[in-house]
Amino acid sequence: GAVVSQHPSWVICKSGTSVKIECRSLDFQATTMFWYRQFPKQSLMLMATSNEGSKATYEQGVEKDKFLINHASLTLSTLTVTSAHPEDSSFYICSASGGRMAVETQYFGPGTRLLVL
Amino acid sequence: GDSVTQMEGPVTLSEEACLTINCTYTATGYPSLFWYVQYPGEGLQLLLKATKADDKGSNKGFEATYRKETTSFHLEKGSVQVSDSAVYFCALSGGNTPLVFGKGTRLSVIA
Repeated sequence: GAVVSQHPSWVICKSGTSVKIECRSLDFQATTMFWYRQFPKQSLMLMATSNEGSKATYEQGVEKDKFLINHASLTLSTLTVTSAHPEDSSFYICSASGGRMAVETQYFGPGTRLLVL
Repeated sequence: GDSVTQMEGPVTLSEEACLTINCTYTATGYPSLFWYVQYPGEGLQLLLKATKADDKGSNKGFEATYRKETTSFHLEKGSVQVSDSAVYFCALSGGNTPLVFGKGTRLSVIA
């Protein structure tokens, strides 16, 4: 099946620093990637949708200047949390779709746990 | 807009008990339907899917049937194991449009 990886799997950082999370589709070309945020014991909240080579579409209430998304290639999207603060601590999950192997289905990465001190 | 409603958990079952997690949806058009599973500390894994009415998705002993007349996609398993303990999410649509998730149902299976 289609495999999506995320790096790092967890990160601890000081308040005010920026953190970059990578999402890669390992065996298919992801024309679309999605970024989600999940709070403890809650469902996933879609943050933004990115299509390769174009600007991301952010959901209402998500600050695009704080959560920078880049989808520079068909296998890589990055989420940068700029000037992170403790309230940004969360579990961030990406998913990818596209290509013959993943038609109509999104495949999820394993998630990145971010803790901002 | 589109939405998914799941039964609230947590659900606690003894090993080998039968499982049903209810899921109903509202949507325009003909969505694809999915069940995802999230094990503790991990991301989501696709469990099964159905893309049209009357399709049955199945995997690892779990199954769900796309019922257009009742707008439902209930998840069932005849005999659960401790290793099935996880959070289960029902979702619709997919492909190049964002998934719409239910709130998730936590299942705990005790030996």
